[in-house]
Amino acid sequence: EAGVAQSPRYKIIEKRQSVAFWCNPISGHATLYWYQQILGQGPKLLIQFQNNGVVDDSQLPKDRFSAERLKGVDSTLKIQPAKLEDSAVYLCASSLGGGPDTQYFGPGTRLTVL
Amino acid sequence: AQSVTQPDIHITVSEGASLELRCNYSYGATPYLFWYVQSPGQGLQLLLKYFSGDTLVQGIKGFEAEFKRSQSSFNLRKPSVHWSDAAEYFCAVGGTSNTGKLIFGQGTTLQVKP
Repeated sequence: EAGVAQSPRYKIIEKRQSVAFWCNPISGHATLYWYQQILGQGPKLLIQFQNNGVVDDSQLPKDRFSAERLKGVDSTLKIQPAKLEDSAVYLCASSLGGGPDTQYFGPGTRLTVL
Repeated sequence: AQSVTQPDIHITVSEGASLELRCNYSYGATPYLFWYVQSPGQGLQLLLKYFSGDTLVQGIKGFEAEFKRSQSSFNLRKPSVHWSDAAEYFCAVGGTSNTGKLIFGQGTTLQVKP
């Protein structure tokens, strides 16, 4: 079974530029998560989708971050404009359902903002 | 407030020695508890999880964890560490509601000496 796919794996941008990350979850998984992992910290949930609806985006900085999940499958996370403090690894995860179902993580996208 | 504390940022053990990684949580309701491992450049992989029932949980790669409600702890153990266990370990807590939001600790980096 294919795992969660993410691209790109690495991205370097200047502050105030925009960037987008892509995630393809495990086939059949209804729930998709985006986490932000800053160096030296544990992952922090940014947004959770159930199919193509948002379940939780309480920690998403909505003035600069946006996310969508097209047709309940793939998802993109965008940052515009980027700030230095956005430098982090962005992890995508998926699970069969919501709640306590096991979350399977992708390899992440490492973003460096200069 | 919900939180997870991993008191040890960095631990070094000799190969073949036993291992215990500590995790304390603060959660209002009965939590679901997880341990994930992250190798360099990789996503997080689930080692084990506790939902209910037997408080001693067996996981993959020879790991186990014990849930102690009175101490709000969920410590991870392994009787004999292998060099391939060197990685970062994250404890996480989640709720029983529809949201699958996981709250992670800051992680413990395990170094294994030959």
